[in-house]
Amino acid sequence: GAVVSQHPSWVICKSGTSVKIECRSLDFQATTMFWYRQFPKQSLMLMATSNEGSKATYEQGVEKDKFLINHASLTLSTLTVTSAHPEDSSFYICSAREDRTRGAFFGQGTRLTVV
Amino acid sequence: AQSVTQPDIHITVSEGASLELRCNYSYGATPYLFWYVQSPGQGLQLLLKYFSGDTLVQGIKGFEAEFKRSQSSFNLRKPSVHWSDAAEYFCAVGPPQGAQKLVFGQGTRLTINP
Repeated sequence: GAVVSQHPSWVICKSGTSVKIECRSLDFQATTMFWYRQFPKQSLMLMATSNEGSKATYEQGVEKDKFLINHASLTLSTLTVTSAHPEDSSFYICSAREDRTRGAFFGQGTRLTVV
Repeated sequence: AQSVTQPDIHITVSEGASLELRCNYSYGATPYLFWYVQSPGQGLQLLLKYFSGDTLVQGIKGFEAEFKRSQSSFNLRKPSVHWSDAAEYFCAVGPPQGAQKLVFGQGTRLTINP
């Protein structure tokens, strides 16, 4: 089946620094990828839609300058949390849309802790 | 507005018992429907999906789901649960075409009693 790899699986960073999270589709091309945020014991909230070769589309309330998304190839999207603060601590999950099956496959998630 | 409701936040069943997790949705058109499972600290694994055709969908790990248009429901079932099924289950809906911008339900946490 389709595999999406997300890296790193966890990261601890200091306040004010930036953190980059990678999302790769390993065995299929993904024109579109999605970034979600999940708070403890809650559901997933869509942050942005990432399209290869174009600017990401952000959901209402998501700061695009804080959460930078780059989708430079058909298999890689990155999310950079800039000037991280403790309130950015969360579980971030990406998904990739497989065009052939129209399925959405998820990475294993990244636990970000900002101290 | 699009929404997904999973009425049960937490369900406990005994190993070997049958399971049904409820999912109701509100969507302007016929949506694509998904069930995902999430183990603690992990990403989401797709159990099954429904786009069209037979309204009873078979998925992995012995799960199935039935789409009932009249009830706007897509309930997940399993005849006999295993201890390894303990996890969080999410129902999600997406648009019939185009990018899959999914809307998730709140999730149902499943606990299995030995």
